[in-house]
Amino acid sequence: LAKTTQPISMDSYEGQEVNITCSHNNIATNDYITWYQQFPSQGPRFIIQGYKTKVTNEVASLFIPADRKSSTLSLPRVSLSDTAVYYCLVALSNNAGNMLTFGGGTRLMVKP
Amino acid sequence: GAVVSQHPSRVICKSGTSVKIECRSLDFQATTMFWYRQFPKKSLMLMATSNEGSKATYEQGVEKDKFLINHASLTLSTLTVTSAHPEDSSFYICSARGTSEQYFGPGTRLTVT
Repeated sequence: LAKTTQPISMDSYEGQEVNITCSHNNIATNDYITWYQQFPSQGPRFIIQGYKTKVTNEVASLFIPADRKSSTLSLPRVSLSDTAVYYCLVALSNNAGNMLTFGGGTRLMVKP
Repeated sequence: GAVVSQHPSRVICKSGTSVKIECRSLDFQATTMFWYRQFPKKSLMLMATSNEGSKATYEQGVEKDKFLINHASLTLSTLTVTSAHPEDSSFYICSARGTSEQYFGPGTRLTVT
């Protein structure tokens, strides 16, 4: 089963760009890479999803190299409200259908 | 976007009692729903996967007789914690799968006294 590895924590300052890299060496051919954001005592919130190359939406960009063994979430000009835990997930499949298995996540602290 | 709701948002119960948590997909049909548990400062741990109209599939180490899951319709799944004990106190999060994305509910904080 594919497993993800992310830095446990990161610190940044308001207005900076933050890049969080996730390793997923055993990603399967049909797996997608999805990033979620979680605030304390709330459910995870979808940020972005991609399969290869680059994906951009209104809140983030996702960079995936050709071998797909890693991915980088890029948050442009972070603010204090971006302080949260960010999870990189690779869609896994089991007999009951696709599911998402969470790794440890990266705790991002944005400072003023 | 798609919305998943949970009820209640928080519950306190006495040891030995049972608690039911509801998870609803509000604007889409979810053939598959997932239940996660999260302890403080820890990641989400998948407890079980449920498909509408069939028995849930439990992850290793999760007692199916203690955590009863019912997925009677395409928009509702329930998790019942039976004979709850203090060690069951946790944050329970459900998730529903749409056509391509997985949406999460806001979570239910269970405290067993």
